[in-house]
Amino acid sequence: AQSVTQLDSQVPVFEEAPVELRCNYSSSVSVYLFWYVQYPNQGLQLLLKYLSGSTLVKGINGFEAEFNKSQTSFHLRKPSVHISDTAEYFCAVIQGSGNTGKLIFGQGTTLQVKP
Amino acid sequence: EAGVTQSPTHLIKTRGQQATLRCSPISGHTSVYWYQQALGLGLQFLLWYDEGEERNRGNFPPRFSGRQFPNYSSELNVNALELEDSALYLCASSLAGADTQYFGPGTRLTVL
Repeated sequence: AQSVTQLDSQVPVFEEAPVELRCNYSSSVSVYLFWYVQYPNQGLQLLLKYLSGSTLVKGINGFEAEFNKSQTSFHLRKPSVHISDTAEYFCAVIQGSGNTGKLIFGQGTTLQVKP
Repeated sequence: EAGVTQSPTHLIKTRGQQATLRCSPISGHTSVYWYQQALGLGLQFLLWYDEGEERNRGNFPPRFSGRQFPNYSSELNVNALELEDSALYLCASSLAGADTQYFGPGTRLTVL
């Protein structure tokens, strides 16, 4: 069975500091990986995705993530955060073949950017 | 290009009633997905519709059902509402057979 673990429930960071949100997954089959962001009282917005190819993927708002197959990780990074990045971030996986339509989400990481 | 839209934004019901939630996918998308985001339970997959057919279902009781219309919009129906059905219900859409799902703003269902 597939599962996703986000290792930190909350990450406090000062404005303009770098940040890393950690995500590990377990799966016996190939998967596609995603990061979504949820601002208060809103839906999910796609930040970036890894389907194949280069293991370093760049997304919107200056975020990037690196797929590491040997460590089954897909950590999200940003070199300098802004107050507006305060939100909840979700890592998700979907089966890479035999599409089930089912995104499996981690429990989320709340990023709190302080002035 | 318009994104996924959902209605209503908020819905308040009492225990035992039925709730109907609606979703319109991005133009050109034929697949619609429903997820429940309940406090403390995270995001859980509910249903997947494609070309009018139910393709997959999450671990939810049969009182959660839905359908997809010829214009690819979708309804989620929840019968015999229970207090624990209170949650944000998110709809997503994708191109047929695609891997990337795009989400709407959600419907917040409150069961009193």
